[in-house]
Amino acid sequence: DAKTTQPTSMDCAEGRAANLPCNHSTISGNEYVYWYRQIHSQGPQYIIHGLKNNETNEMASLIITEDRKSSTLILPHATLRDTAVYYCIVTGGGADGLTFGKGTHLIIQP
Amino acid sequence: ETGVTQSPTHLIKTRGQQVTLRCSSQSGHNTVSWYQQALGQGPQFIFQYYREEENGRGNFPPRFSGLQFPNYSSELNVNALELDDSALYLCASSLAPGIHEQYFGPGTRLTVT
Repeated sequence: DAKTTQPTSMDCAEGRAANLPCNHSTISGNEYVYWYRQIHSQGPQYIIHGLKNNETNEMASLIITEDRKSSTLILPHATLRDTAVYYCIVTGGGADGLTFGKGTHLIIQP
Repeated sequence: ETGVTQSPTHLIKTRGQQVTLRCSSQSGHNTVSWYQQALGQGPQFIFQYYREEENGRGNFPPRFSGLQFPNYSSELNVNALELDDSALYLCASSLAPGIHEQYFGPGTRLTVT
């Protein structure tokens, strides 16, 4: 079972920041938080990951709370092409694959 | 640098048949993982191959098997197809086991009738 809890769906206006929350209260010290998204009819796309520090790349920012029990993915200026299902995944090392939950369906409104 | 490709795009098989799906990993990625995605669900991990050997497995029966080749290509084989095997099958490549920054292909849509 997925170790994360995400809202089923969210709306955001185009051009605004999209903030996607994720709860992972049972995360252990050596587990990372990964975010992927899946645009309709495509394979999942890696976005960003972090351990305990906030991270930023060209796609998004990841804010992890100090107790690491939750995180927020921020898309700073959402566009219509950001409409997708966003998956928050907690995982350690090893060959156990990624455990996807049902994710958050983010809909960007024009 | 080419991305991850999969073939075929779509496939229709009959219950009881066998199927082979193919994947070409990103160059330099020696680890490939396979996932099954049923309609409306997130992908479920089937297994992972590293240096041509199975390196980890999810909760899937032995009729799901795989091969990995030195040229960055791999296969997923499913025997004795069941109706519930109808799904999108995704492969993902990564630099090494335990590196969860994975690059996914577009998937193969399998329909079992």
